[in-house]
Amino acid sequence: GDSVTQMEGPVTLSEEAFLTINCTYTATGYPSLFWYVQYPGEGLQLLLKATKADDKGSNKGFEATYRKETTSFHLEKGSVQVSDSAVYFCALTISNDYKLSFGAGTTVTVRA
Amino acid sequence: EAQVTQNPRYLITVTGKKLTVTCSQNMNHEYMSWYRQDPGLGLRQIYYSMNVEVTDKGDVPEGYKVSRKEKRNFPLILESPSPNQTSLYFCASSLEGGSYEQYFGPGTRLTVT
Repeated sequence: GDSVTQMEGPVTLSEEAFLTINCTYTATGYPSLFWYVQYPGEGLQLLLKATKADDKGSNKGFEATYRKETTSFHLEKGSVQVSDSAVYFCALTISNDYKLSFGAGTTVTVRA
Repeated sequence: EAQVTQNPRYLITVTGKKLTVTCSQNMNHEYMSWYRQDPGLGLRQIYYSMNVEVTDKGDVPEGYKVSRKEKRNFPLILESPSPNQTSLYFCASSLEGGSYEQYFGPGTRLTVT
């Protein structure tokens, strides 16, 4: 079945460090890919998405590129802030499907 | 304000005592869904609904029921809760399924003793 694998955490960084969270997927069709973020005590919110190969999603300084050849959608940010401390989830859905599959989540802590 | 609301936010109950977690959205969304979040497992989909009176199973539907009698509401029913249903539950909605952004509620933390 369709699934997402993302790097295990937790990840601890200093402010202004570079962040990468790896995400790879397995899908039977042509998926749309997402990164959702969950701040402490809150629900999830969409961070960025890409709907076809080579698309780059970006938001709040985060970027991820849909790589069909490596079945990956790695999340990157060049300079993290304390406010980026959260749990990050990679997710996919297949076109015309109604199921959203999530990875296990990666906890990121940024220290001042 | 566009939002998804869930009630209650916290619930402690005993095995076998029926409970309902309500979910409501004010965005006129067609699609609604329930997830449970467990450590190390991420979010797993329980049920989803594509429209009024149309629902389908997600990955972990056992022990849960849903109904969609109105567009804005999508309650989750646990008819006989068990301790393995202790979890953090999220309701979400989107304009449609597929690649549309899902908007999540604040979560309901359920403990079954």
